[in-house]
Amino acid sequence: GQQVMQIPQYQHVQEGEDFTTYCNSSTTLSNIQWYKQRPGGHPVFLIQLVKSGEVKKQKRLTFQFGEAKKNSSLHITATQTTDVGTYFCAANTGGFKTIFGAGTRLFVKA
Amino acid sequence: DSGVTQTPKHLITATGQRVTLRCSPRSGDLSVYWYQQSLDQGLQFLIQYYNGEERAKGNILERFSAQQFPDLHSELNLSSLELGDSALYFCASSVGQGNGYTFGSGTRLTVV
Repeated sequence: GQQVMQIPQYQHVQEGEDFTTYCNSSTTLSNIQWYKQRPGGHPVFLIQLVKSGEVKKQKRLTFQFGEAKKNSSLHITATQTTDVGTYFCAANTGGFKTIFGAGTRLFVKA
Repeated sequence: DSGVTQTPKHLITATGQRVTLRCSPRSGDLSVYWYQQSLDQGLQFLIQYYNGEERAKGNILERFSAQQFPDLHSELNLSSLELGDSALYFCASSVGQGNGYTFGSGTRLTVV
């Protein structure tokens, strides 16, 4: 069945450093979504990528969808303490099921 | 407030018992999804409904069942509860397939 691998599992950074999380699928994706879950909170939708090679930016966040539509990344420039949380990718192959990655938990030290 | 309402927020019950979790989707959303999140773990997909019909099933135990009613609210029934069922249960909704999900605040279930 479809698998979504997300790495790294954890990342500790100093405030101001950059951070990247990667999501890889075993199958070609229809779209991929990214979510952020703050500690004690619920996942919040960040963005959806649909096109091959697509790059989208939201302030300090840059999202990329691979050319083969099998991988994606989220890059945060100059992390802040407000970036703390778990970042999930969610992959859809065009069916009714969206599979979430295990998430990358980001710790930011001030 | 995300627009997705889940009740109750917390639930403590004994092993062997049965509970019902309720979810009201965001206005206009026809799809409802249920996810289970164990402590510091990922989101395990349980089941999806679209406009009252079951559309996809994940790793949902036979002891668990769900339904979506004509008014689009959904209920997740968990029976013969075990200690390992303790988790956060999230409901999410979306307009349709392939759109971003709006999650509720979750129900924290503790089985003792």
